[in-house]
Amino acid sequence: AQSVTQPDIHITVSEGASLELRCNYSYGATPYLFWYVQSPGQGLQLLLKYFSGDTLVQGIKGFEAEFKRSQSSFNLRKPSVHWSDAAEYFCAVGAKNTGNQFYFGTGTSLTVIP
Amino acid sequence: KAGVTQTPRYLIKTRGQQVTLSCSPISGHRSVSWYQQTPGQGLQFLFEYFSETQRNKGNFPGRFSGRQFSNSRSEMNVSTLELGDSALYLCASSLERSWETQYFGPGTRLLVL
Repeated sequence: AQSVTQPDIHITVSEGASLELRCNYSYGATPYLFWYVQSPGQGLQLLLKYFSGDTLVQGIKGFEAEFKRSQSSFNLRKPSVHWSDAAEYFCAVGAKNTGNQFYFGTGTSLTVIP
Repeated sequence: KAGVTQTPRYLIKTRGQQVTLSCSPISGHRSVSWYQQTPGQGLQFLFEYFSETQRNKGNFPGRFSGRQFSNSRSEMNVSTLELGDSALYLCASSLERSWETQYFGPGTRLLVL
């Protein structure tokens, strides 16, 4: 069955520090992978996506993510975090071949310390 | 292009009542998916509509239903509301296929008293 795991429920980083949010997926074929960000009480905003090609993808707000097939991972990174990055981050898998659905991880809450 | 819009943004209902939420997808998008988000359960898939037909359904009771109109706008209905239905209901649209990029609306916050 398809699944998405975000092992870190909550992460705290200092402003200006680097950030890495982990995402592991379970899927039989090459997945469509996404990262979304959600500010309190708001909908989800797409940060970036991977369908194929270059395994390092760039997104909005200075975020990037790397697809590693051997590790079934799609970790999100940012070299220097800003206070406005504090939010909930969701990793998602688009399951093309099975169920035709979107599967979300449980989310990682990011706190940024001034 | 305008984004996904959802109305109303906030709702307060009492147990036993029913509620209808509306979602207008991005122009040209034909797939509309609905999700329930709660602190305890996270994001849970409710159902997906495409060309006025329900194409996928999550694991929710029959009190949760939806429909899609010919202009791709979608509504979801919850009958006989329970306290546990209090949640943020999110609508997302995509061009054709639900596993493609989904674009989300701001959500409808439902509080059941």
